[in-house]
Amino acid sequence: SSELTQDPAVSVALGQTVRITCQGDSLRSYYASWYQQKPGQAPVLVIYDRNNRPSGIPDRFSASTSGDTSSLTITGAQAEDEADYYCNSRDRSSNHRALFGGGTKLTVL
Amino acid sequence: QVQLQQWGAGLLKPSETLSLTCAVNGGSFNNYYWSWIRQPPGKGLEWIGDITHSGNTNYNPSLKSRVTISVDTSKNQFSLKLSSVTAADTAVFYCAGAKYQLPIQYFVSWGQGSLVTVSS
Repeated sequence: SSELTQDPAVSVALGQTVRITCQGDSLRSYYASWYQQKPGQAPVLVIYDRNNRPSGIPDRFSASTSGDTSSLTITGAQAEDEADYYCNSRDRSSNHRALFGGGTKLTVL
Repeated sequence: QVQLQQWGAGLLKPSETLSLTCAVNGGSFNNYYWSWIRQPPGKGLEWIGDITHSGNTNYNPSLKSRVTISVDTSKNQFSLKLSSVTAADTAVFYCAGAKYQLPIQYFVSWGQGSLVTVSS
């Protein structure tokens, strides 16, 4: 399969830890990247490469991969982390297609 | 820090051709895959295609027959044309710059987004 699968919605209590997962065959070849999108805004890169954060992204964001599943972990979730999160990689076939997961709506309670 | 600024027509009629352009400021124009991504209202992200500074393109197979992405290196700009639009093409369109070399793929910077509505 050339798709990425995410849970549609996840919730977390303020200050607790939450994991958002992304599953797909392409993740056996590519590191997943992760994006945060708030309503009415463009997506923002939060994790890239194996587990790197762009400048300005808090260190409570981290990622890991096992087999065909990548996980974005937010340790000590804050109210401002409430957003949609998308994973991304490329198709393992020769068509170079970029793939996005369907997105996970994170609610901070 | 690469910054992207995009523009184009926001309202189209069915069967018309969508046209958007994205200008790149800062960073090296040669070091990225320049991409177009769309997001229908209330839905997820869909990659449309990309182009390198040398003009090499990749397209989403589901849109390939209707999409043309071009680049103007003299202006550090790239453009999207999507032909024969229908209401199903109504979306916010984003330009973005990607780093892409196995095993790495990520979109470093994004444009502000352009809402394109297709309606008769």
